[in-house]
Amino acid sequence: DQQVKQNSPSLSVQEGRISILNCDYTNSMFDYFLWYKKYPAEGPTFLISISSIKDKNEDGRFTVFLNKSAKHLSLHIVPSQPGDSAVYFCAASAIQFYFGTGTSLTVIP
Amino acid sequence: KAGVTQTPRYLIKTRGQQVTLSCSPISGHRSVSWYQQTPGQGLQFLFEYFSETQRNKGNFPGRFSGRQFSNSRSEMNVSTLELGDSALYLCASSLSPTSSRGTEAFFGQGTRLTVV
Repeated sequence: DQQVKQNSPSLSVQEGRISILNCDYTNSMFDYFLWYKKYPAEGPTFLISISSIKDKNEDGRFTVFLNKSAKHLSLHIVPSQPGDSAVYFCAASAIQFYFGTGTSLTVIP
Repeated sequence: KAGVTQTPRYLIKTRGQQVTLSCSPISGHRSVSWYQQTPGQGLQFLFEYFSETQRNKGNFPGRFSGRQFSNSRSEMNVSTLELGDSALYLCASSLSPTSSRGTEAFFGQGTRLTVV
């Protein structure tokens, strides 16, 4: 049973535009959410996180939004750069980390 | 500061064999978690060790086991390998158990296991 879902397997965005990656979860006990970025042949790299007591967290070009009532999480990248092309995983934490299946982002120069 | 180190990076094994994968966490990190990544399945949690004790175990058969040593290094063992065990196995380390709010996990590059 997939408790964290990323329904878009892939996304293509023009360089300079906004990339929006979405994530839905089912377990209301999740209290911490994270985004990881993964390049081929490398392990996932931590990107940004948000606690369930907040609805927004910003770090440079990356902003994560949390809508607890909708059980929805999104990552905004503005402006998108070609180096952002990677697979992005969202994760939620309760007793353990639960990961989504990932969204492959391609930023077109 | 050295990152998470996984060895070996690549492995090819035959069905029925057993395999041991190793993970050295970031210095000072006492929690080590293991994940299996297969196409379309994301990262599936295998188990987590903290201070040599298994804290949690995912929904995997008993053929998958692990342990953690006093220096926090961890090993994962898979016995009686099946073709479906072919995957990227990732290890992640953190200061605190992943159940602690605000804990971030840092991943190694993974071990690519191919079962033929």
